[in-house]
Amino acid sequence: DPKIIQKPKYLVAVTGSEKILICEQYLGHNAMYWYRQSAKKPLEFMFSYSYQKLMDNQTASSRFQPQSSKKNHLDLQITALKPDDSATYFCASSQPGQANSDYTFGSGTRLLVI
Amino acid sequence: GDSVTQTEGPVTLSEGTSLTVNCSYETKQYPTLFWYVQYPGEGPQLLFKVPKANEKGSNRGFEATYNKEATSFHLQKASVQESDSAVYYCALGPTGANTGKLTFGHGTILRVHP
Repeated sequence: DPKIIQKPKYLVAVTGSEKILICEQYLGHNAMYWYRQSAKKPLEFMFSYSYQKLMDNQTASSRFQPQSSKKNHLDLQITALKPDDSATYFCASSQPGQANSDYTFGSGTRLLVI
Repeated sequence: GDSVTQTEGPVTLSEGTSLTVNCSYETKQYPTLFWYVQYPGEGPQLLFKVPKANEKGSNRGFEATYNKEATSFHLQKASVQESDSAVYYCALGPTGANTGKLTFGHGTILRVHP
């Protein structure tokens, strides 16, 4: 069974619209992250949350807003979508303070903005 | 900021031959170093990690030594198989609290043919 569920797997959106990418983890982790992978760039860190609080934000644009409604959820709202936002977005989680806890990634949401 | 540079791909090998994927990094911290593997349609999966300098990590026949003096973490395998075909990412991350961002290299595509 997948331990990190990302929905939807594929998403096509129109320029200027708004979408929410869903992430739920069932690993009991208290830290969650978003990464972006586009054709020309490596996996890029976007946000980290620990115990539902924002720890680090490396995303320049305020159009990207993480939302943590529950301890095991970290959704990503993207507003005013642009074609450059087309990428695969990966959610990940880990357990803070445990040296043996690994970062686990979901299988991603592939977003295409047309 | 932190950065990771790795062998440009794709790397194409015959089954049974040896693999080396070079990875070098720059950081002002004392990082944990990671190798991740990504198969089509999936998120990155941890291959192994090494938190301390001069130690070796290994998994599934792959290995790498954390060389702090040379700031390198080269991935090696003595005899590759067709099932090793995937994208390999070198990454660095914070040590200790196990929270915070991972910085990835661009990834190296490995193709192994029978």
